[in-house]
Amino acid sequence: QSVLTQPPSVSGAPGQRVTISCTGSSSNIGAGYDVNWYQKLPGKAPKVIIFGNINRPSGVPDRFSGSQSGTSASLAITGLQAEDEAEYYCQSHDSRLRAYVFGDGTKVTVL
Amino acid sequence: QVQLQESGPGLVKPSQTLSLTCTVSGGSVSSGGYYWSWIRQRPGTGLEWMGYISHNGGTTYNPSLKSRLSISLDTSENQLSLKLGSVTVADTAVYYCVRTVSVFGVAGYYFDYWGQGTLVPVSS
Repeated sequence: QSVLTQPPSVSGAPGQRVTISCTGSSSNIGAGYDVNWYQKLPGKAPKVIIFGNINRPSGVPDRFSGSQSGTSASLAITGLQAEDEAEYYCQSHDSRLRAYVFGDGTKVTVL
Repeated sequence: QVQLQESGPGLVKPSQTLSLTCTVSGGSVSSGGYYWSWIRQRPGTGLEWMGYISHNGGTTYNPSLKSRLSISLDTSENQLSLKLGSVTVADTAVYYCVRTVSVFGVAGYYFDYWGQGTLVPVSS
């Protein structure tokens, strides 16, 4: 059980909008540590899609957006596409654990 | 384009030391501004940051692994290495080497380039 809590799964039809929450605490997100998001396809390495809470690396579609407030963060995917079906992980730093931490991951299914 | 490639044994026995090497191309492990991490994913679980090393050899380890873990750099070969001692079956995982970077200072380190990962089973 990670210190960053994500829903195990979310789903949506093509074209719809889905959001994934990442709930932390005062020792990680609430302490001001950035939240980053990674997309992991089966058998592939994770790929950063959001860094610094809201920033997209070059090449990541603007369908992906991040937000952060208080002790939580969210990843939104608008205009859901079949290729977005993957596992998504949030990541931050935890001052109590003195480690970089990941959420347990959220499986996105495109119906 | 930075590329990372892990290599190591296909199988490790319990109580032995797990050793992995990561060869970096398209960038130098000696370049300032980056750390080089090891991250693993055990079967059916999420991602676990193990530790990192700076361009000048300074290390920071996850406290949960600190007593068993060592990360080092070989600047002449542009490689980093991991050694995890006294392994058990619970250390069976896919191990990734990962470049670690921050754009916004100490509160904002993230993992931008990943190796493809290598599965290391621990079994007798």
